[in-house]
Amino acid sequence: ELKVEQNPLFLSMQEGKNYTIYCNYSTTSDRLYWYRQDPGKSLESLFVLLSNGAVKQEGRLMASLDTKARLSTLHITAAVHDLSATYFCAVASFFGNEKLTFGTGTRLTIIP
Amino acid sequence: GAVVSQHPSWVICKSGTSVKIECRSLDFQATTMFWYRQFPKQSLMLMATSNEGSKATYEQGVEKDKFLINHASLTLSTLTVTSAHPEDSSFYICSARSGSSGYEQYFGPGTRLTVT
Repeated sequence: ELKVEQNPLFLSMQEGKNYTIYCNYSTTSDRLYWYRQDPGKSLESLFVLLSNGAVKQEGRLMASLDTKARLSTLHITAAVHDLSATYFCAVASFFGNEKLTFGTGTRLTIIP
Repeated sequence: GAVVSQHPSWVICKSGTSVKIECRSLDFQATTMFWYRQFPKQSLMLMATSNEGSKATYEQGVEKDKFLINHASLTLSTLTVTSAHPEDSSFYICSARSGSSGYEQYFGPGTRLTVT
């Protein structure tokens, strides 16, 4: 059974600081996704990472994937208040219908 | 492109009644649709996977007789919560995947169900 763990679960950080969210998964997978969720809303797709060593960046967010370590990171640079949200990673099953297993989520609060 | 809608966006129903939630892919054909539920401050849990024209595949622990899923066309899947109870109150989110575009799932806006 695929297990996906994120840490930290909660993160409170000051504006302008950098931080990293970690996503570990338990079995082989070839796709990893990062999503953002605002309170009361559905998911917004941020990144899809398809191969070992993949790195993607959008604004102040950068995601990377190490399939050998079964680890993905979401790095936040010079955080701003608008980035406050809950961030989920999700790992696709290797076979079948591409079922996604979601991580526990990281609730990020940016303090002015 | 790749827009998924859900209806209703929120619903309140009484215990013992049934409620139907619709998930539509607006600008693509969805060969596979997924239904998730999310309790407050928790992650998303996959309930079932449905392929157009065939029976849904339910995840372990999800009662198929309680959560009826119908994927009748390439643009519509429905989730019916039968004999609803307060513990069924949750945020239900669907996603859809196009057979032609490959792997990515596109998520609907979610439906908040409150059972009183």
